[in-house]
Amino acid sequence: GAGVSQSPRYKVAKRGQDVALRCDPISGHVSLFWYQQALGQGPEFLTYFQNEAQLDKSGLPSDRFFAERPEGSVSTLKIQRTQQEDSAVYLCASSLVGGQAAYGYTFGSGTRLTVV
Amino acid sequence: DQQVKQNSPSLSVQEGRISILNCDYTNSMFDYFLWYKKYPAEGPTFLISISSIKDKNEDGRFTVFLNKSAKHLSLHIVPSQPGDSAVYFCAASAEYGNKLVFGAGTILRVKS
Repeated sequence: GAGVSQSPRYKVAKRGQDVALRCDPISGHVSLFWYQQALGQGPEFLTYFQNEAQLDKSGLPSDRFFAERPEGSVSTLKIQRTQQEDSAVYLCASSLVGGQAAYGYTFGSGTRLTVV
Repeated sequence: DQQVKQNSPSLSVQEGRISILNCDYTNSMFDYFLWYKKYPAEGPTFLISISSIKDKNEDGRFTVFLNKSAKHLSLHIVPSQPGDSAVYFCAASAEYGNKLVFGAGTILRVKS
């Protein structure tokens, strides 16, 4: 596709509910990233895939967070037993080359998650 | 600990004048720096970057300056236009790192 597509755009979850957020990267892009952006803050790194391999998950805040990219294209970020502190915008980004964040990458519009 | 800091939450500038957005960093391992622009309800859009081997990079109306000894960079927009009104994020990375570390952002308002 022309850009990085994320769905849903908005998600309201009750505390304790599981959620799944989807990211469709730009076709052919090797690298895929997930970031979390809390209100009034900059995006914070969660995890990084190169093709289907999850090379860095150091930013995942707890074991309730899980990401996958089984075929090296679409990725899903899953949050189990959501808590209020999980409320944030979740941004997905992709880049053509691997592991070189310095050259910038393309972000999607994000999924705004609100846990009530 | 905030490794990348944007100390001005907001900035208001008259159309046609210069906008200067500032950013400080603490991690000496960073050697690539980027600026992203974000409109409401959209994802951040890459604007311009600079390597630590340079002290200036220019792209049209946008110029980024890097002072490595002071661990400080700035983005100059001249002349500023109303369409430049957005949130600007400073970000940093080690050259072959896979993650960007972002500042909290500065809201720029350009008044016509």
